[in-house]
This record gives sequence, C-alpha cells and structure tokens, in this order.
Amino acid sequence: SAVISQKPSRDICQRGTSLTIQCQVDSQVTMMFWYRQQPGQSLTLIATANQGSEATYESGFVIDKFPISRPNLTFSTLTVSNMSPEDSSIYLCSVEMPGQGAILDNEQFFGPGTRLTVL
Amino acid sequence: LAKTTQPISMDSYEGQEVNITCSHNNIATNDYITWYQQFPSQGPRFIIQGYKTKVTNEVASLFIPADRKSSTLSLPRVSLSDTAVYYCLVAGMDTGRRALTFGSGTRLQVQP
Repeated sequence: SAVISQKPSRDICQRGTSLTIQCQVDSQVTMMFWYRQQPGQSLTLIATANQGSEATYESGFVIDKFPISRPNLTFSTLTVSNMSPEDSSIYLCSVEMPGQGAILDNEQFFGPGTRLTVL
Repeated sequence: LAKTTQPISMDSYEGQEVNITCSHNNIATNDYITWYQQFPSQGPRFIIQGYKTKVTNEVASLFIPADRKSSTLSLPRVSLSDTAVYYCLVAGMDTGRRALTFGSGTRLQVQP
C-alpha cells in the first residue's frame, strides 16, 4: 500500500493567481496521477506524471494551465495557473502500485485531496 | 475510452444487501474493473477488483458477466458506516498510456 499526503489541504485564492499543490508518497512509485473532482461530481483525470519524462495530459487539460513537476519517485506538484472561479474544485493525486494477492491489475491509492476555492 | 454509467443514488437499511451496477458497454479486452468508496473530504478507497466472473473479499463481492459490459458491486450487510459514494473504475491502456475512466458515482444512504 501507499500513504499519500497533500499540501495544502485547502485554500482560497483570488482570480488570476496561481496555486501549487504538493503530493508526497511514502514509497517510490513510477506512476503518479492528478485528478480534478468538482463539487458533487466524479473524478476526472488531468494528467499522468512519470519521473524522468514530460507529463501526459488528458483531453481538455493543457500544460500551460496545469504545469506538473515530478522531480523524484516520491514527490510531484500540480500548479493551477491563472485561476478563475471555474477552477474551484478538489484536486487529488494518486499513485499506482502492483496489486497484491488476487488483485491482477494495479491498485490506485489516493491522497486526501486539496480543496480549492477561487473568488 | 470506456464510458461508464451508474445510478445516481440508492437507499438501504442496515443489515440489507446492496447491489450497485455499473455499465461499461465499450470496455476493452485488457481493461480491469475496480470499485472505490469515497467519504466526504477523503480520497477514494479501494474496495474490490475483477476481470470477469465473480470475485469476493472480506467486504464485498463483484459480479462481472461473460460479456463484461457491466459489473455489480454487492455489499452483503450494510451498516450506517457504509453511507458513502461508490465509484466504478475501468482501467486499461490506450495508445501506450494509462486509461482511467471513473463512473459518475452512486451515493448510498444507509438508514437505521
């Protein structure tokens, strides 16, 4: 399993500013993911961040708006740039680890999320 | 990418069995199905995973028919603490990268 922490846990920001969210994992992992979860909605994958390569973004998300760093195997950051109220959401990071026992595919472990409110 | 559909909400009483179904009509051959539980202000937590037929662990069962176009999470005897949102996840590979599609989520309310 993996234990994941995120900073900050929540923030209130002004329109036009940027916020960097940190994700720390207690073990080395290859694949890290960033999700957005809008209020009352499901999770939408923003990008995949592998150490040593550029992040891969999903349709509808671009690097200029959501730059990602992955400097080592236990840490990643997501920046939400030039924020608008539409960016108000919960941002979650997750990691994948090989399944244990009868679990054949990878298992995802999630951080607690960062609740962002943009005024 | 797989598209998934779940009921928005379900109500149950303590001690009852609850079955939540997720439709994933265009699931790919190599995709796996995983179910997660999410409480307010927390990240989702793994419940169970399967590829086909039936899988059971200490907290739930997962039924996947032969055509794999749907899956059903079964919670045998729910308690108040099972009140949460439940998501199915279809996970596989697409053009060399991880494809992860969460369902819309089913809000389960368990009453005493």
